[in-house]
Amino acid sequence: AQKITQTQPGMFVQEKEAVTLDCTYDTSDPSYGLFWYKQPSSGEMIFLIYQGSYDQQNATEGRYSLNFQKARKSANLVISASQLGDSAMYFCAMREVNTGFQKLVFGTGTRLLVSP
Amino acid sequence: DTGVSQDPRHKITKRGQNVTFRCDPISEHNRLYWYRQTLGQGPEFLTYFQNEAQLEKSRLLSDRFSAERPKGSFSTLEIQRTEQGDSAMYLCASSLGTVSPYEQYFGPGTRLTVT
Repeated sequence: AQKITQTQPGMFVQEKEAVTLDCTYDTSDPSYGLFWYKQPSSGEMIFLIYQGSYDQQNATEGRYSLNFQKARKSANLVISASQLGDSAMYFCAMREVNTGFQKLVFGTGTRLLVSP
Repeated sequence: DTGVSQDPRHKITKRGQNVTFRCDPISEHNRLYWYRQTLGQGPEFLTYFQNEAQLEKSRLLSDRFSAERPKGSFSTLEIQRTEQGDSAMYLCASSLGTVSPYEQYFGPGTRLTVT
């Protein structure tokens, strides 16, 4: 069964510094996708970045990059040059491809607090 | 604004009452999902529609829950005989099923409180 583990309940970072949010996953499907979402206090889940299991390069989207280590089954999110607006909950999620299921399985999230 | 919308944003109901939530997906998206999120947890999948067909249902979706997507447009999620354990944020998402990676775009959610 697919599972996402986020072991950091909370992280603190100063503005303009980089921060890494950890995510490990478990699946028996060789084809899968990994997603990161941001959830501000308003509640809406905002899609940030995607990594496919067969992608050769780590995904990047602006200040977000995904440190994908397939052998370790980890997909850590790196936020460079943190901004106050980055304070939010961050969720890692996975979708298995070969099962045909479309659902996303989420971790329990990491609360990031960016201080001035 | 052409994002996913949900109505109502907040609902307070008494135990035993029925409630219905509505989700309007992004207009060209043929896939629609419902998730439930309780405090301190990530969203948990409830059900998935492709066009008007309900293709996946979680075991979390008890007999008291029913979802529809008539004509493949908006969707409704009904909870009958609500219980206090149903208190949660109900999130709707949609995606375009023809373009990988099929990322799901979420609405603002409906927060349900059962008293």
